[in-house]
Amino acid sequence: RKEVEQDPGPFNVPEGATVAFNCTYSNSASQSFFWYRQDCRKEPKLLMSVYSSGNEDGRFTAQLNRASQYISLLIRDSKLSDSATYLCVGLSGSARQLTFGSGTQLTVLP
Amino acid sequence: EADIYQTPRYLVIGTGKKITLECSQTMGHDKMYWYQQDPGMELHLIHYSYGVNSTEKGDLSSESTVSRIRTEHFPLTLESARPSHTSQYLCASSDPGQGDYEQYFGPGTRLTVT
Repeated sequence: RKEVEQDPGPFNVPEGATVAFNCTYSNSASQSFFWYRQDCRKEPKLLMSVYSSGNEDGRFTAQLNRASQYISLLIRDSKLSDSATYLCVGLSGSARQLTFGSGTQLTVLP
Repeated sequence: EADIYQTPRYLVIGTGKKITLECSQTMGHDKMYWYQQDPGMELHLIHYSYGVNSTEKGDLSSESTVSRIRTEHFPLTLESARPSHTSQYLCASSDPGQGDYEQYFGPGTRLTVT
């Protein structure tokens, strides 16, 4: 079983829609979680951190449920520029390495 | 924009050739990483370094080797390229003082071995 699992999508949504991505993790020792964004043929970039209390940054809300080992990302009022692959990422171990999920592909349609 | 650079951006080379993928960063980060990513697939860590003269193997076994003689430079070498090495190679760096979770990635090298 992969350490971080995501629904690969693709999610095709109209502009203005609200879309939610889910991610599960198997390593209960994982310390922290993040969402990265990767545009087509580009490098990944940090989007936001994920906290148990929830974390909101503009139209983006991330949530961590440690009991269920589940992470979510909610995008409200989606824009064309939100089209990308969203990577669920966990940080774990004494070496503090990032483990990347395979990503969920989002396409926002006009 | 992150100050991390990779060359070449694209490389097409024949089987058996020795290649070196260059990575450099000007942020003074101690930790550096090499990832391998096939199209539509997750990133796999193949090498990392805590600092000068430190190199460690990542989760994915790789026939490549790395060196870290200077803080800003972390080259990856394949002694004898094979078609199975065809992939995208991404270099990244992070600042342990900032928690390591924000890794800054270079633009990647797309390697094709024919």
